[in-house]
Formats: sequence, structure tokens, C-alpha cells
Amino acid sequence: GDSVTQMEGPVTLSEEAFLTINCTYTATGYPSLFWYVQYPGEGLQLLLKATKADDKGSNKGFEATYRKETTSFHLEKGSVQVSDSAVYFCALNNAGNMLTFGGGTRLMVKP
Amino acid sequence: SAVISQKPSRDICQRGTSLTIQCQVDSQVTMMFWYRQQPGQSLTLIATANQGSEATYESGFVIDKFPISRPNLTFSTLTVSNMSPEDSSIYLCSVTEGGTDTQYFGPGTRLTVL
Repeated sequence: GDSVTQMEGPVTLSEEAFLTINCTYTATGYPSLFWYVQYPGEGLQLLLKATKADDKGSNKGFEATYRKETTSFHLEKGSVQVSDSAVYFCALNNAGNMLTFGGGTRLMVKP
Repeated sequence: SAVISQKPSRDICQRGTSLTIQCQVDSQVTMMFWYRQQPGQSLTLIATANQGSEATYESGFVIDKFPISRPNLTFSTLTVSNMSPEDSSIYLCSVTEGGTDTQYFGPGTRLTVL
């Protein structure tokens, strides 16, 4: 079946550092790929998405590119802020309604 | 995107009791889903709430434990029945709109069972 693997956290960075959170997936066909963010005490917010190979999703300075050849969708941000501290979830939807989530990666940004 | 609210936002309940969680959307949506997020874990799909018919449950979840209603295109409820401490989790509803595959989530209900 489909699966999503994320790098384990926590990831601890200083403010203005470069962020990469790795995400790889296993799926048949051509899934849509998503990043969601969960701030402390809140629900999930859609951060960005990509629906086909080589698409780049971007939002709030975050980017991720759909790489079919490496089955990856790594999340990047050039300069993180303390307010980016949250848990980030990579997910896929493969021609259906069911989202398959990765395990989540906690990001902690220190001033 | 649709604005989704959930009630209650949090609750502390006694073992053996039941709690009904409401999910309200400000517009008609195609699909509604219920997820469970156990402490420090990722999300697990409980069921798809079908308008006017029985919900579709994922493996490991049963209707007797998690009865779901969806009387119209903007509202759904999830009941957690005969609760035990293992049911302590965040319960989230999500929706899709207009046939897209993007799910939007409510703020969640934080349940603690003593």
C-alpha cells in the first residue's frame, strides 16, 4: 500500500537558518502530495501542495518540489523564524479520498 | 477554503461515558472525514462520513465504538462511546470541496479520559 516516510525530529535550528525536512513516498500511479503544519494546540493547516511531477508548491516562504524520479517531496525554507516552530506532516492522496500521512517532524526554532 | 469549526474544543471525561463531537462547515462540502491523533503521533483516518447513509469505517474502527452521523452537507458528528483512557486523543474532522483531493481540517477536539 501507499506510505510516506519523513525524517524524524525534533529538528532544532537557530533563527534565520536554512530548513530542509525530508519526505519520501511509496505509491502506485500519480498521487498528489501535501505538506500540512500543526502549530501547538491547533489543528492541521494546509501549507502547500503539488499535483504532478516537477510541480513546485510554495507558501509563506516554504517550498517543496514533486520529484517523481526520487519519489520525494522535501520541504525547504531559506530562513526560519521562531514562529515556524510546529509539527510538519507530509501526506499523499492517491486517486481517492484517503490521505496517507507521514509520522510528522517537530521543528523547534530558537532565537 | 471552507471554514470548519468543532465543538467542544476540549473535554475531560470519565471512563465508561460517551462524548459527541460536532463538526460544522460554513458551506456545502463534498466529503467529510474523521481522524484520530493519539499523543505525539500522526493522524489515523477513522471513517468517511457519508451524507444520508452509514459511514465508511477504516480497519480497526467500528460503528459501535465510533458512531457517526452526517445529516446534511455541512454538519457531522462523531461519538466516542464507552470511553477508556486509551481514547485520549485529538479528534479532527476534515472536508474536501468541489471534487478536489485537498483536505482542510478543523481545529480539533482534545479529549482526555480519566
